[in-house]
Amino acid sequence: SAVISQKPSRDICQRGTSLTIQCQVDSQVTMMFWYRQQPGQSLTLIATANQGSEATYESGFVIDKFPISRPNLTFSTLTVSNLSPEDSSIYLCSVESPYEQYFGPGTRLTVT
Amino acid sequence: AQKITQTQPGMFVQEKEAVTLDCTYDTSDQSYGLFWYKQPSSGEMIFLIYQGSYDEQNATEGRYSLNFQKARKSANLVISASQLGDSAMYFCAMRELYTGGFKTIFGAGTRLFVKA
Repeated sequence: SAVISQKPSRDICQRGTSLTIQCQVDSQVTMMFWYRQQPGQSLTLIATANQGSEATYESGFVIDKFPISRPNLTFSTLTVSNLSPEDSSIYLCSVESPYEQYFGPGTRLTVT
Repeated sequence: AQKITQTQPGMFVQEKEAVTLDCTYDTSDQSYGLFWYKQPSSGEMIFLIYQGSYDEQNATEGRYSLNFQKARKSANLVISASQLGDSAMYFCAMRELYTGGFKTIFGAGTRLFVKA
């Protein structure tokens, strides 16, 4: 199993600013995933982050809005840029083993 | 096209009874994985159970079992002896392989209410 921590757990940000979310895993993993969960909705994959390469973004998500860093095998950051109220969501990072998927506790972002 | 379908937005069950949460999926892959997760009001995502497409036996984990019908492309979650703490949102998910990796897609979820 993997233990994942995220910082911050929640934040309230003003429109037009940016928030960087950190994700730390207690073991080395090749792939890390970032998801968004809008209020009352399911999870949507934002991007996959591999160490040593550019992140792969899903349709509807772009690097300028959601830049991702993956400096080593245990850490990743997701930045949500130029915030608007529509960005108010829970952001979760996750890692996967062959038969399981582990999520961080999530970061609850509110944009005012 | 919707790949994971959960047709029950909400379900009620009496405490100590069993409940089935429906999930159908669509894929042309031969190798894939199916997952169920629980999300209580706290927001954390809790992994419940996994079924591989080549697994011949239905997966079981304690009170959770997955009724896997491959030909019908369904992967229903059965919770036996429901408890009040089972009240939560439940998500079905499918892992697909693609060039260079894999990704997991989620259904819309079913909110389960357990009545005392």
